[in-house]
Amino acid sequence: ETGVTQTPRHLVMGMTNKKSLKCEQHLGHNAMYWYKQSAKKPLELMFVYSLEERVENNSVPSRFSPECPNSSHLFLHLHTLQPEDSALYLCASSQGQGSGNSPLHFGNGTRLTVT
Amino acid sequence: EDQVTQSPEALRLQEGESSSLNCSYTVSGLRGLFWYRQDPGKGPEFLFTLYSAGEEKEKERLKATLTKKESFLHITAPKPEDSATYLCAVRGDDMRFGAGTRLTVKP
Repeated sequence: ETGVTQTPRHLVMGMTNKKSLKCEQHLGHNAMYWYKQSAKKPLELMFVYSLEERVENNSVPSRFSPECPNSSHLFLHLHTLQPEDSALYLCASSQGQGSGNSPLHFGNGTRLTVT
Repeated sequence: EDQVTQSPEALRLQEGESSSLNCSYTVSGLRGLFWYRQDPGKGPEFLFTLYSAGEEKEKERLKATLTKKESFLHITAPKPEDSATYLCAVRGDDMRFGAGTRLTVKP
């Protein structure tokens, strides 16, 4: 496996369900990110972890709960979501959070539909 | 506040018809400007990083340029496989993305 892998690729859940998104990076990076992508809108940064510590939380509702057990794995736990949370959720990694010349490397995302 | 604006929102070209995509930005202390390509159902794929005004990068039919206020992604003689959404991002205090330009190249 190379790059950034996200599972599942697609997820349909009811508003009362609890589910988790998983991300794994095989690039040896030390920073990981969750982004939300909605149609025709810029990517919205949700959470940043650097060296397994959360360094940014952009006013994300508490129904989204991240977890970073080590530098290769990142989870996003979901509970009691709303229909407006339906979107593509992207995981990314980089070498050095905030470093000017380090691009983000993205996974292929989880397409989430909340019914 | 840092801002990134991409134009046009959508662009349709005939195969071989060269054109440019624009990324205008305002940022306090540019630490890097990034171009990504995103295909439907996939995550963004990194293309280029530009650091300072006057810098240029090339890859196949794509060339990215940078000034103090904007970046252009020039596409020379595009092919249908160049159809994708192209995203621009700038890093100042944080990373900020534009909404993208959806490019369609017709054979």
